[in-house]
Amino acid sequence: GQQLNQSPQSMFIQEGEDVSMNCTSSSIFNTWLWYKQEPGEGPVLLIALYKAGELTSNGRLTAQFGITRKDSFLNISASIPSDVGIYFCAGRGIQGAQKLVFGQGTRLTINP
Amino acid sequence: ETGVTQSPTHLIKTRGQQVTLRCSSQSGHNTVSWYQQALGQGPQFIFQYYREEENGRGNFPPRFSGLQFPNYSSELNVNALELDDSALYLCASSATSGFQETQYFGPGTRLLVL
Repeated sequence: GQQLNQSPQSMFIQEGEDVSMNCTSSSIFNTWLWYKQEPGEGPVLLIALYKAGELTSNGRLTAQFGITRKDSFLNISASIPSDVGIYFCAGRGIQGAQKLVFGQGTRLTINP
Repeated sequence: ETGVTQSPTHLIKTRGQQVTLRCSSQSGHNTVSWYQQALGQGPQFIFQYYREEENGRGNFPPRFSGLQFPNYSSELNVNALELDDSALYLCASSATSGFQETQYFGPGTRLLVL
């Protein structure tokens, strides 16, 4: 079945540093999404990407849909304490538009 | 706040029992998807309901079943509970079913099976 490999699994950074995480797939996706999940909450959508090569920003967050349609990355610039959480990539494949396939998550910890 | 609500927030059951989880979708949304999130993992798609019909299913056994009501709220039922069913169950609602529809997640129901 479709699987997403997300890396790194965890990151420990200083406040103000930039962050980069990525996701790769063995199969093609039509949509890439990035979510953030905090304790006791469901995932919250950060950025949605619909076209290969698309680069989209949301404040300090930037994400790109890889041109091969098998990968995506998320960058966070000038990290702040409220960026702490678990970030998930998710993709929607050619078959089965209904379901989102999620990566394993990247846990971000920030030292003030 | 996504407007998606789930109940109960927490639940403890024993192996072999049955459980029903509930989800109220965001106003104006006719599609509900259910996901299982084991500790330390990403959510796994269980199934989706669109206009009261099942519209896609993930790799889960038939003892996972669901319903969607005319007001588009939904239930997830799990029979013959197993220890591995312990997880956070998330529902997500969307305005429709399709490639560009955005799924908005509720806070989840945490199920513990003893």
